[in-house]
Amino acid sequence: SQTIHQWPATLVQPVGSPLSLECTVEGTSNPNLYWYRQAAGRGLQLLFYSVGIGQISSEVPQNLSASRPQDRQFILSSKKLLLSDSGFYLCAHGRGSTDTQYFGPGTRLTVL
Amino acid sequence: AQKVTQAQTEISVVEKEDVTLDCVYETRDTTYYLFWYKQPPSGELVFLIRRNSFDEQNEISGRYSWNFQKSTSSFNFTITASQVVDSAVYFCALRAVGRGSTLGRLYFGRGTQLTVWP
Repeated sequence: SQTIHQWPATLVQPVGSPLSLECTVEGTSNPNLYWYRQAAGRGLQLLFYSVGIGQISSEVPQNLSASRPQDRQFILSSKKLLLSDSGFYLCAHGRGSTDTQYFGPGTRLTVL
Repeated sequence: AQKVTQAQTEISVVEKEDVTLDCVYETRDTTYYLFWYKQPPSGELVFLIRRNSFDEQNEISGRYSWNFQKSTSSFNFTITASQVVDSAVYFCALRAVGRGSTLGRLYFGRGTQLTVWP
């Protein structure tokens, strides 16, 4: 069965500090991978998606970036965090354009 | 443009009551998929159901049932005999498969917070 991991689970970072969130998937190969952010008010916003190693598409311009160094690894980064980057970050995986997306446990980021 | 509206921000019921969560969607694509996810206090989104636009058959899974009506662009979710463990935020989502749609992108409603009191 497929499993998706995210770490860390929680993170408190000062404004201006760097960020690295990691997502890994087990039990599948060549998945589509997605990063979502859920800010206060519960709305879910797609940040990045990837259909393969090194292939990243951005949905929203911001100070965040994503990378996919391995087939089942997806990393969300920032060089300098902003207060507005606080939120709940969810990684998801799916297969193809019609498959269901399954979500990881999420990382709760607080920027102070 | 794709859009999902969950007009109910919060719903409170007492245990054993039935409750329906509304979802209305907008899309110009003829092929699309609709989803419901549950987000308990732990935060993880748990997949509940997926329906495609060509299958309007209603579905029942235990105490959960879904009513898909293309004529009204609605995909409502009913919990029968609600329980305290049903307390969560429930999200409806849409994925269109037309030309120009972001591969696999889900468009989420803003969610409905369901609280079931004992």
